[in-house]
Amino acid sequence: QSALTQPASVSGSPGQSITISCTGTTSDVGSYDLVSWYQHHPGKAPKALIFEVSKRPSGVSNRFSGSKSGNTASLTISGLQAEDEADYYCCSYADSNTYVFGTGTKVTV
Amino acid sequence: QVQLVQSGAEVKKPGASVKLSCKASGYIFTSYYIHWVRQAPGQGLEWMGIISPSGGSTNYGQNFQGRITMTRDMSTSTVYMELSSLTSQDTAVYYCARDPRLTGDSLLDNWGQGTLVSVSS
Repeated sequence: QSALTQPASVSGSPGQSITISCTGTTSDVGSYDLVSWYQHHPGKAPKALIFEVSKRPSGVSNRFSGSKSGNTASLTISGLQAEDEADYYCCSYADSNTYVFGTGTKVTV
Repeated sequence: QVQLVQSGAEVKKPGASVKLSCKASGYIFTSYYIHWVRQAPGQGLEWMGIISPSGGSTNYGQNFQGRITMTRDMSTSTVYMELSSLTSQDTAVYYCARDPRLTGDSLLDNWGQGTLVSVSS
């Protein structure tokens, strides 16, 4: 059960859009529409941004959006803001009621 | 309001076991899965396992098979995670998180505050 692959870092200027990829296999991302994304500021608990590929929990800004194609899921942050600077993780349901996280991406604004 | 309150920091020696708790409140305990996730220093999030509080069924990550046990106490709405044969590699912050997939959406929507476990001789 290997971690999903994410770029180590992504950067952008305020107001720009960035996209973070999350590549898995046919045993996880490719087989289930159960990909979620989490924002993690150091020292705090992670926060859910996207669930089931493209749905947003109540209260999450519509600047965050998700999609999936084949074995790769993506998180797009539009209108980048200083407070978006954090670590981002994807997570996918895998076989046999198990889950796997991505390697994590540090976003710099 | 929904709360997951975790037990306090632990310091353990290599080879020992640690048992962490996660006390739920503000929602129907049996309607949500509980996951355990950890983050070692400088590393990413790692999924450890999941428990269904209603029936007590569990599933564990491959990296932890054979040395992790998750249990629950329905009378106190508390989930426990015990990890044995600790090594320095188990030094991490451990989180519990709630998942409503049993009755609806699938996501880790509420997280505990985290528990630091330090393993050192």
